[in-house]
Order: sequence, then structure tokens, then C-alpha cells
Amino acid sequence: EAQVTQNPRYLITVTGKKLTVTCSQNMNHEYMSWYRQDPGLGLRQIYYSMNVEVTDKGDVPEGYKVSRKEKRNFPLILESPSPNQTSLYFCASSLVAANTEAFFGQGTRLTVV
Amino acid sequence: AQTVTQSQPEMSVQEAETVTLSCTYDTSESDYYLFWYKQPPSRQMILVIRQEAYKQQNATENRFSVNFQKAAKSFSLKISDSQLGDAAMYFCAYRSGTASKLTFGTGTRLQVTL
Repeated sequence: EAQVTQNPRYLITVTGKKLTVTCSQNMNHEYMSWYRQDPGLGLRQIYYSMNVEVTDKGDVPEGYKVSRKEKRNFPLILESPSPNQTSLYFCASSLVAANTEAFFGQGTRLTVV
Repeated sequence: AQTVTQSQPEMSVQEAETVTLSCTYDTSESDYYLFWYKQPPSRQMILVIRQEAYKQQNATENRFSVNFQKAAKSFSLKISDSQLGDAAMYFCAYRSGTASKLTFGTGTRLQVTL
């Protein structure tokens, strides 16, 4: 089954404690990205990757890091989380072509206290 | 930069009735794609319908159809014969023909009542 898998689905952490949210896709997609969803703001792109070892900032990259060492995996790293990073996070993947469907993970609800 | 605007934070429709969700966008490009995504309480993002800007014909998918007005930069979603399972947050999204990024609107929460 074609899917994007994110883990964990829920996470509560404390300010400053490094964490990683994993994302894996099994569709051999080149393009992967991370979004955060906040009430009244929709989904905003954090980082994206066009292929292995190729990553770039999206609209709200501050406080986040990513890596793309393998085509299927695209982890999101918060080195020193702060309460303003409390949000719902989505990983998405697609082929590079713009008319193709983007597939989303199940979302990760992150709370930073 | 492209922007997508959904001016209706919440909408309500009775079961079996028709509802239209509005979306406008701003772009200087001629090649782009538009999407409507549904997000039910499960949080899963589900593609409802897509429209290619170069196509004049409005896209339809069963009970879902769009009214694409390219000159007005408008892309509304019409849901016919609404069902309880249609209750969800709906996001309009834009994708440039030269990039892979999706730009989302702020969403419209649709309630379906009996």
C-alpha cells in the first residue's frame, strides 16, 4: 500500500529537549516536505527536499532542521524546541511534477511545555 | 509569492443539500494547478479534486465539482447531496507548474446537519 508514515503521532516534550519526528514513504517519490498546521493559518511549509542530499527552506524554517540521506526518509529535527513550536506537523511526498498528487502522513501532534 | 485565500472560516449545510466553498488565489504565473483537500477529524489529508489551469473545463469527481474562473482567480468547491461524512476541514491549495510546493489557504470547516 502506498503510504507516508510519520512517527510519533503524539508527542509532549519540554522546552529545549531535542526531538526528531520521522517520515518515510514507499512510493519512490523525489519530493518530500514538512508542513505545520496552526488554527487560522492553514498549512505552512517548513522545509522541503527535491532529492537525496538536496534540501531547502520553506516559509517557516526557523528552529527546524531536516536531512535527506535516503530517498525514502525525511526526518524533522527540533534541536531546542520552544512552546511556539507546539503545532500539528505533516510530512508529504510526491513526484516532482506539479500536477501529481501529494501524499500526506497521518500528522504528529507536538506539544512543547 | 503566491497566496491562497479562503474567506469562510466555517460553513454549515443540511444533509442532502448543496454547499459551495470559496477560494481565491493570487499569482502572476500562467501554468499552475489547484487542489482541494479534505481533513476529517482523523487529521488525514485527503485529495478531493484537482484542476489544471490550462483546462477550461471544470473538474468533477462524483458529488464534488469546482467552478474555476481563471480571470477572476477563483476556485470554488461545490459539494452536492451533502452527507454526514463530508463534515471536515477543507483546504484549497495552489501549486506552481514550475515548482513542487503546495501553498494552502487557511481552511473552511464544514458542518453537516441532519
